[in-house]
Amino acid sequence: NAGVTQTPKFRVLKTGQSMTLLCAQDMNHEYMYWYRQDPGMGLRLIHYSVGEGTTAKGEVPDGYNVSRLKKQNFLLGLESAAPSQTSVYFCASSSHRDNQNTEAFFGQGTRLTVV
Amino acid sequence: LAKTTQPISMDSYEGQEVNITCSHNNIATNDYITWYQQFPSQGPRFIIQGYKTKVTNEVASLFIPADRKSSTLSLPRVSLSDTAVYYCLVGDLRTGANNLFFGTGTRLTVIP
Repeated sequence: NAGVTQTPKFRVLKTGQSMTLLCAQDMNHEYMYWYRQDPGMGLRLIHYSVGEGTTAKGEVPDGYNVSRLKKQNFLLGLESAAPSQTSVYFCASSSHRDNQNTEAFFGQGTRLTVV
Repeated sequence: LAKTTQPISMDSYEGQEVNITCSHNNIATNDYITWYQQFPSQGPRFIIQGYKTKVTNEVASLFIPADRKSSTLSLPRVSLSDTAVYYCLVGDLRTGANNLFFGTGTRLTVIP
């Protein structure tokens, strides 16, 4: 049981390049989330998904796209990277079966630098 | 969405009990209070969750007064490894991911 796994762990991009961050969870969770964390700041929600095939915007969605084609995977895409997107990205998942208010599990993060 | 207010930072000596208070004046009836811990270069980790009164687990205690407008995370006998950022979240996870709002948290530094 690996929990939440993020790929890659580090990446350097040039301005204008594109890339996709992959998040995989093996806990059969319904909800998945993408956050970014800038130095000395809290986490800000980018996009989230409440189930396979559905996505929604969070607090800071501009410049990012997401897809949830499979329940266990949540992809975060940057179509044209900008230096302002330099950050640490965290993925999380949570379960809401049985109408329980449960905890969220986080990945180890992806450190992205855009130069 | 209920916002939370926490102290930006706290210092404590090893072995002391640490209490971090979070204000959430606009908490809704169905909202739960959840605390997360984050070490540098790691994702946040769940510590404790409660709805009212007191909750205790092997790591911490959570005290919630009757009006639920605040809550206090209590860490008994902290060690250097408890140095981290602690986030208080208020919301009902069953109704939407926007309730997973982290804010800036409280940076706890444990001093030898």
